[in-house]
Amino acid sequence: EADIYQTPRYLVIGTGKKITLECSQTMGHDKMYWYQQDPGMELHLIHYSYGVNSTEKGDLSSESTVSRIRTEHFPLTLESARPSHTSQYLCASEDRISYEQYFGPGTRLTVT
Amino acid sequence: KNQVEQSPQSLIILEGKNCTLQCNYTVSPFSNLRWYKQDTGRGPVSLTIMTFSENTKSNGRYTATLDADTKQSSLHITASQLSDSASYICVVSDRGSTLGRLYFGRGTQLTVWP
Repeated sequence: EADIYQTPRYLVIGTGKKITLECSQTMGHDKMYWYQQDPGMELHLIHYSYGVNSTEKGDLSSESTVSRIRTEHFPLTLESARPSHTSQYLCASEDRISYEQYFGPGTRLTVT
Repeated sequence: KNQVEQSPQSLIILEGKNCTLQCNYTVSPFSNLRWYKQDTGRGPVSLTIMTFSENTKSNGRYTATLDADTKQSSLHITASQLSDSASYICVVSDRGSTLGRLYFGRGTQLTVWP
């Protein structure tokens, strides 16, 4: 069982709201990722981080931001939620030696 | 363009049968190839990771192969069980950056019937 956690697991909010999806891991991994996945579709990289104070944009990052103040914590913020943000958001961390990537259980977001 | 293509898109087999899933990629330069299993509504779970020098790796009833020359990989599942019903995702990592960018296939949706 991977030690990576996401909260909330499910979230329904109205358009225009600001939300933060939480992700934390206790494995001491430097690399962390945020992905977006629609049902039956591939994962799309939103943001990634090499380590503390290091963040990079992925393919679908233009409407969200991340921060990495602590190794174990990598929150994702949507400044103004829209119905197009309705999706599953997966956080992952990676062991730099084995390349093993561990995924959290995901947050299923619905924007009405 | 770096891509990962998987086939078939979906597959239905009977419990106890074997099956093979395919993955073709154009990612270059190549670092490693991973197979993940993703149950509905859950995060993916790693099955195998292979680097350039490895051409086969097993994890229980799962055996992955890699041909780095033809840029093809396969995942063979032996004696399938109902719990094998899931999406199987092929992921390729490149050496193009310090991070090692990951490229995801769309997955093969496997359904095992009793």
